[in-house]
Amino acid sequence: NAGVTQTPKFRVLKTGQSMTLLCAQDMNHEYMYWYRQDPGMGLRLIHYSVGEGTTAKGEVPDGYNVSRLKKQNFLLGLESAAPSQTSVYFCASGGLADNEQFFGPGTRLTVL
Amino acid sequence: AQTVTQSQPEMSVQEAETVTLSCTYDTSENNYYLFWYKQPPSRQMILVIRQEAYKQQNATENRFSVNFQKAAKSFSLKISDSQLGDTAMYFCALGSNYQLIWGAGTKLIIKP
Repeated sequence: NAGVTQTPKFRVLKTGQSMTLLCAQDMNHEYMYWYRQDPGMGLRLIHYSVGEGTTAKGEVPDGYNVSRLKKQNFLLGLESAAPSQTSVYFCASGGLADNEQFFGPGTRLTVL
Repeated sequence: AQTVTQSQPEMSVQEAETVTLSCTYDTSENNYYLFWYKQPPSRQMILVIRQEAYKQQNATENRFSVNFQKAAKSFSLKISDSQLGDTAMYFCALGSNYQLIWGAGTKLIIKP
């Protein structure tokens, strides 16, 4: 039981490049989330999904897209990376019982 | 709008002492949960303790306990017999409708 995994753990991009972050969970959770965490700050919600095939915008969605084609996977895409997107990205998942969220280890992204 | 406020950006105590981290929140929801998450230098987000708003009894988990004052919308975390491994960022979060609203965090340093 791996919980929530994220790929890759680190990535460096040049401005304008694109990339996709992959999140996978093996807990059969309905809900999945993408957050970003900037230095000295809490988590800010980028996008989330309440089930397979559904996505919704969070607090800071601009510059990102997501897809949830399979229940266990939630992809975060950056079409044209900008230095302002340098951050640590966390994926989380949650079940129907309560609002607890389980987190992946994070991806540190640097955009030069 | 729902908000979570952590008024202590940083705290430090000696090992074995007791420390209390403050959190206040605002919500108009009747059903909600409150959480304390820990983020050590490894960056992994770890659930410390959870409180259901409809339960009057304060949650406890070994050395960790909360003081939940629903009318005052206060949710403080007490760490007893603090250990070096408790050094981390601590985030308070309000959960409702399957989303978490995060505080900015308190950096806790346990000194040997």
